[in-house]
Amino acid sequence: QKEVEQDPGPLSVPEGAIVSLNCTYSNSAFQYFMWYRQYSRKGPELLMYTYSSGNKEDGRFTAQVDKSSKYISLFIRDSQPSDSATYLCAMSKGGYQKVTFGTGTKLQVIP
Amino acid sequence: TAGITQAPTSQILAAGRSMTLRCTQDMRHNAMYWYRQDLGLGLRLIHYSNTAGTTGKGEVPDGYSVSRANTDDFPLTLASAVPSQTSVYFCASSDSGSTSGGLSTDTQYFGPGTRLTVL
Repeated sequence: QKEVEQDPGPLSVPEGAIVSLNCTYSNSAFQYFMWYRQYSRKGPELLMYTYSSGNKEDGRFTAQVDKSSKYISLFIRDSQPSDSATYLCAMSKGGYQKVTFGTGTKLQVIP
Repeated sequence: TAGITQAPTSQILAAGRSMTLRCTQDMRHNAMYWYRQDLGLGLRLIHYSNTAGTTGKGEVPDGYSVSRANTDDFPLTLASAVPSQTSVYFCASSDSGSTSGGLSTDTQYFGPGTRLTVL
């Protein structure tokens, strides 16, 4: 079993829809949670960074962490065609431990 | 600011040949990383460096070597390429690291990648 599980998609939604992207994990020691966005043929770029449980909002993006369920989510409101990309979740234990990445979910927003 | 640059952008390499993938950052970050990204497997860490002069092995280090002679450069060398090393390679850096070992958990900034095909 992988430490981090992420549905590969692809996920297709109409422009303006609310998108929910999710990851589950098995290691309860993970403390830091991140979402990266990767456009085709580009490197990943950090989108959101949270510590422990709770919500974090940044514009149209909201990251949620539920440590009791070992489940993290990224919500995108009013999705735009420019949001079409692969979204990678990532997490680490802190204390200078390595970052573990999910395999990514490919999102397509249809105009 | 350029951030992280990688060269070449893409390369086709004959099996058994050697090759060095170059990575340079201009952010003065302490820590640097090499990942490979394969369909269905995601990003896997090959090697890392917390500071100039030190390196460490990631989860898939076999067949690869790295050096960190200075803060800005972190080249990855394939001594004798094999077809299973066909992948997209990403270099990354982050703003902190530990001089006593271990890996930094701070935000990682990625380069544009090198697409390598080994035939």
